[in-house]
Amino acid sequence: DVKVTQSSRYLVKRTGEKVFLECVQDMDHENMFWYRQDPGLGLRLIYFSYDVKMKEKGDIPEGYSVSREKKERFSLILESASTNQTSMYLCASSLIRETNTGELFFGEGSRLTVL
Amino acid sequence: AQSVTQLDSQVPVFEEAPVELRCNYSSSVSVYLFWYVQYPNQGLQLLLKYLSGSTLVKGINGFEAEFNKSQTSFHLRKPSVHISDTAEYFCAVIPVGENTPLVFGKGTRLSVIA
Repeated sequence: DVKVTQSSRYLVKRTGEKVFLECVQDMDHENMFWYRQDPGLGLRLIYFSYDVKMKEKGDIPEGYSVSREKKERFSLILESASTNQTSMYLCASSLIRETNTGELFFGEGSRLTVL
Repeated sequence: AQSVTQLDSQVPVFEEAPVELRCNYSSSVSVYLFWYVQYPNQGLQLLLKYLSGSTLVKGINGFEAEFNKSQTSFHLRKPSVHISDTAEYFCAVIPVGENTPLVFGKGTRLSVIA
């Protein structure tokens, strides 16, 4: 069974702290994505990656960075957390290759609260 | 560029009644289409997808959707809803053959009332 695992379901951090959100997939997918989800705004793409050590900015990259040192792992980093980064964060992955349909596989989400 | 419009942000419906969640998209090229469901405090999971072939697509949990190219729509339907269908539903598109991120609509919150 395919699986995308996000390391923390719930986190509470203080303003100014550095926050790491980890995501691991076991499907050998090339693509990995980080979204944030807020009521009324739907899913907004933060960063994505097509391959190891590659990254592309999404729609709202400000205040975030990412790291992809291994194919299966994609980390989202908040260098200095702020209260407006309180949100649900969703990681997803997808396959390229010949059968690429763009279908995304999602993790369970990480709900971050910044105080 | 592609865009997706989900015409209703919230849809309340009584249990065992039919429901339709509307999705329209804009694209100058052919697209693949998806519906995802998100139950409370969970990630998204695939309900169904249209890639090619029959325009009526059946998914999990009794849902189906119809691709209408002339109206650029992909509406989701279920003939009789259950309390357990209460969730948020997202429509998404991607251009055929392109390795770009899915474009999502803003979601429709379906509330099933007993």
